[in-house]
Parts: sequence; C-alpha cells; structure tokens
Amino acid sequence: DAGITQSPRHKVTETGTPVTLRCHQTENHRYMYWYRQDPGHGLRLIHYSYGVKDTDKGEVSDGYSVSRSKTEDFLLTLESATSSQTSVYFCAISGTQQETQYFGPGTRLLVL
Amino acid sequence: AQSVTQLGSHVSVSEGALVLLRCNYSSSVPPYLFWYVQYPNQGLQLLLKYTSAATLVKGINGFEAEFKKSETSFHLTKPSAHMSDAAEYFCAVSEANNDMRFGAGTRLTVKP
Repeated sequence: DAGITQSPRHKVTETGTPVTLRCHQTENHRYMYWYRQDPGHGLRLIHYSYGVKDTDKGEVSDGYSVSRSKTEDFLLTLESATSSQTSVYFCAISGTQQETQYFGPGTRLLVL
Repeated sequence: AQSVTQLGSHVSVSEGALVLLRCNYSSSVPPYLFWYVQYPNQGLQLLLKYTSAATLVKGINGFEAEFKKSETSFHLTKPSAHMSDAAEYFCAVSEANNDMRFGAGTRLTVKP
C-alpha cells in the first residue's frame, strides 16, 4: 500500500468553525489531491497540488483552501464550516497528473 | 472536458454469476481509463487501468475490462462473482493536463 495517512479520521464540528484536515505521504509523489465523496456524486476534486506551494482549484473548490509547504504534507482547510460540507474527504497522490492515483483511508466530517 | 457515466448505481448478482459493470466515457483525446474498488470504510484501490496498450486489460481479483473506442466504453467484467467482490466500483477517466474525473459509482451486491 502507498504510504498515505489522513488525520483526523473522524471529526464532528459546528457550523461556522474552521477545520483543517491533514494528508501525509511517504512516497515523494509530486501530485496530491483532495476529494470529497457524497452519495450519487462519486468523487469530486476540491483542490490539487503539483508541487510545494503550487496548487490549483478543482471542480468544487468554493469554501475550501489548501496549502502545501512540504512535499509530504497537503492541508485542506474549511474556513467556516457549513452543513453542506458534511462529507467523507479523501486525499490521493500520484507521480504525474494522468497516472494512477493512490488514496488515503479518508476523513469522515460531520458539520452540525 | 472529459466525463464518465456509470450505468446502474446498484447491481446485484448471485455468487458464481457473471459480473458486468458498465462505464461510458467522453474524451476529446485518447484517454487513460481506470477502474477502482472501494470496500466499506476504506479508500479507493486500483483494480485495473488502460493506457493505450492492449485494449483488453486484466486486473486484480479476476476482473478485466475492454476498451472499445467505437462505443466509448470501458465495461468491467468478472466471469464468476465471489462474495468478497461486494463493494462499490468507480470508473475514472484521465486526460493529459486535465483532472481525473470519476463516475458516480456502482454498488455491487453478491447474493449467496
């Protein structure tokens, strides 16, 4: 298995609070991604990174920001959580943009 | 932009029966195509991928998929279903310099 960890694995928070999710990899892959998974929608890309301090928006980026200060870490921040951001969040990594992506175990976030 | 349609959000088969999960894609250039599997409370794992070599691709756990350009399809099959195949399956398409796009997923149930 690719070395990808996510923390926390579960989180319950209240509307309006900031939340940060962390993805850590030990594979030295260039690309890192944040997805959210919701029933009926599959996985939708939030943001991705193609190098340290290089990030770009995905399909559903509103309300989210990211940072990558080191190759191995990619942080996803919900500036002010809303109930619509209740979801399961997955981090993924890949060597190039078109290659196989390897997924972390996911973070289940509940916003009350 | 590329897109993926998975026909059937739920598929149920008997143990030992043929598994057929359908995937159609839209892409303006030769794509890379993937099938991923997700077991409960886990991240996605790669089953197989097509990268413009052989059109019939063999993956793990006895699954295979055939790339048919004329039909823009990449259906997943397995000759004989096993109880352990029960999971959710995602088809994905990737183009050079573009995000990977996932289908909405098909949940496979295997009846004893």
